[in-house]
Amino acid sequence: DAKTTQPPSMDCAEGRAANLPCNHSTISGNEYVYWYRQIHSQGPQYIIHGLKNNETNEMASLIITEDRKSSTLILPHATLRDTAVYYCIAIQTGANNLFFGTGTRLTVIP
Amino acid sequence: NAGVTQTPKFRILKIGQSMTLQCTQDMNHNYMYWYRQDPGMGLKLIYYSVGAGITDKGEVPNGYNVSRSTTEDFPLRLELAAPSQTSVYFCASSSWTNTDTQYFGPGTRLTVL
Repeated sequence: DAKTTQPPSMDCAEGRAANLPCNHSTISGNEYVYWYRQIHSQGPQYIIHGLKNNETNEMASLIITEDRKSSTLILPHATLRDTAVYYCIAIQTGANNLFFGTGTRLTVIP
Repeated sequence: NAGVTQTPKFRILKIGQSMTLQCTQDMNHNYMYWYRQDPGMGLKLIYYSVGAGITDKGEVPNGYNVSRSTTEDFPLRLELAAPSQTSVYFCASSSWTNTDTQYFGPGTRLTVL
């Protein structure tokens, strides 16, 4: 699985969009980009995933660059409950092992 | 649906004791997983199962055992607990059609003294 690089921490004002970047420059053609988050003391929660097209669901949007070497998770209107560690994972479908690195700690500020 | 449930929430063990962490899911998922998370670190896969009667090792299986006699349950057994097993343990499940979308339980916080 491709290695991913994320900033260790970010702040965002409540109500503003939170844009979380992820670099995956060695991603291969059959690897998807997955995003999970972990709110303090809870189990990780799936957010969204994509292969090469931009994706949107009720939680977030995922923008993947055309060369697929990086992506951005967008939380359109961050709330205090979005404070969490966000993990970007590049993985081949069916690999079974989700490699969670250290992620980005997002703090939403009132 | 309750999703993935884990018991107990917290446990303190003495060195050399053993215990079983329970995990149950009600989503009829074929795949189940056990991860551990050490303080300030990401998750590491201990064992996983692709269906009843089938289990396989993950990244850090030493010191643990698992069994999968039913689709719903996937217990994790610690034999001869050691301080290095102090961690938070998460169970997860997924459907066979999308194994990378995993649903996690609330975790068991284990301390070995």
